[in-house]
Amino acid sequence: EIVLTQSPATLSLSPGERATLSCRASQSVSTLLVWYQQKPGQAPRLLIYDASNRAPGIPARFSGSGSGTDFTLTISSLEPEDFAVYYCQHRYDWPLTFGGGTKVEIE
Amino acid sequence: EVQLVESGGGLVQPGGSLRLSCAASGFTFSTYEMNWVRQAPGKGLEWVSYISTSGATIHYADSVKGRFTISRDNAQNSLFLQMSSLRADDMAVYYCVRRGPRSVVEGFDIWGQGTMVTVSS
Repeated sequence: EIVLTQSPATLSLSPGERATLSCRASQSVSTLLVWYQQKPGQAPRLLIYDASNRAPGIPARFSGSGSGTDFTLTISSLEPEDFAVYYCQHRYDWPLTFGGGTKVEIE
Repeated sequence: EVQLVESGGGLVQPGGSLRLSCAASGFTFSTYEMNWVRQAPGKGLEWVSYISTSGATIHYADSVKGRFTISRDNAQNSLFLQMSSLRADDMAVYYCVRRGPRSVVEGFDIWGQGTMVTVSS
């Protein structure tokens, strides 16, 4: 089973700042890495697939990069609605697994 | 509107059984691969199970293998999860999730609102 480790667990930032979230895989997943956003009381929302492709309707301030074992989700300038929990997930093989999440909170 | 609506959650005793349902609408259900993903209270996401469009290919997380059974009825636009031998650590919100179309959106693109399963005596 591929283990995904997200860091930091919590990121305290202000609106307008840049957020950089990390996801590290225990073995290579090529570029088969997905990012989701989840707000309290809501289902997750797909943000980025295959490491760097924005899902339909996702603002350009969200970007993803990386390959192999190290991946990054960047939010270029935080909007108030971006404060949420972010999860990475691989689709390299079975079982699919998620990272533990990074909470982006208002400083 | 593309929508997934789960039902069937509730309170069940340890060792008991429960069947979750997911009603799909607004898209051609039979052409999409489907999954169940769960989230324990205050915890992260855990993938549970996958089923192919025809139902011929199925995968499970090790934590539920042998106890849960995923199935679908394409004629009724429905996805199911039969859960048995339920344990306290199965307590979670269970989401019905659509896999995006291959080579177009390679991720879980549509999620239901979730149904809560509580395992307690």
